[in-house]
Amino acid sequence: ELKVEQNPLFLSMQEGKNYTIYCNYSTTSDRLYWYRQDPGKSLESLFVLLSNGAVKQEGRLMASLDTKARLSTLHITAAVHDLSATYFCAFTMEYGNKLVFGAGTILRVKS
Amino acid sequence: NAGVMQNPRHLVRRRGQEARLRCSPMKGHSHVYWYRQLPEEGLKFMVYLQKENIIDESGMPKERFSAEFPKEGPSILRIQQVVRGDSAAYFCASSSTASNYGYTFGSGTRLTVV
Repeated sequence: ELKVEQNPLFLSMQEGKNYTIYCNYSTTSDRLYWYRQDPGKSLESLFVLLSNGAVKQEGRLMASLDTKARLSTLHITAAVHDLSATYFCAFTMEYGNKLVFGAGTILRVKS
Repeated sequence: NAGVMQNPRHLVRRRGQEARLRCSPMKGHSHVYWYRQLPEEGLKFMVYLQKENIIDESGMPKERFSAEFPKEGPSILRIQQVVRGDSAAYFCASSSTASNYGYTFGSGTRLTVV
């Protein structure tokens, strides 16, 4: 069974600071997704990582995937208030189609 | 392209009533997935369907819940005899193939059981 551990679950950051959200998963998977969710809203796709060593960046967010360590990270650079949201990582099983989500990280960026 | 359309956005049902949630996938997408999100939690997989077929229902509760994706029309998630514990946000996602490459989520239906 695929399990996903996401941490921290809550992150309060000052504007301008850097931080990293971690996702560990328990079995073979080489497809990793990061989503953003604002309160009461749907999920917005941020990144899709499909291979070991993949790194993608969009603005102040950078995601990476290490399939050997079974770890993905979402790095936030110089946080701004607009980044406040809940961030989820999700994996698909090697031979399946359903997404398995982490518990989510609630990010609050303070001025 | 209107994206994944879910309706209603909000649904209030009394205990014991039936809830029907609808999902129209993106144009060209033939794979539909339903997820449930309880307050302050992540999304949990419920069921994966292709046209007229249930491919994986391993996340569906054994009783009261059913899903279909007919040849014509939207996918329907049906909850019979709702209970308060069914209160949650239900999200539908669609994809064009079974390759896991990309999923597009709808805006969700927020079910409240009173």
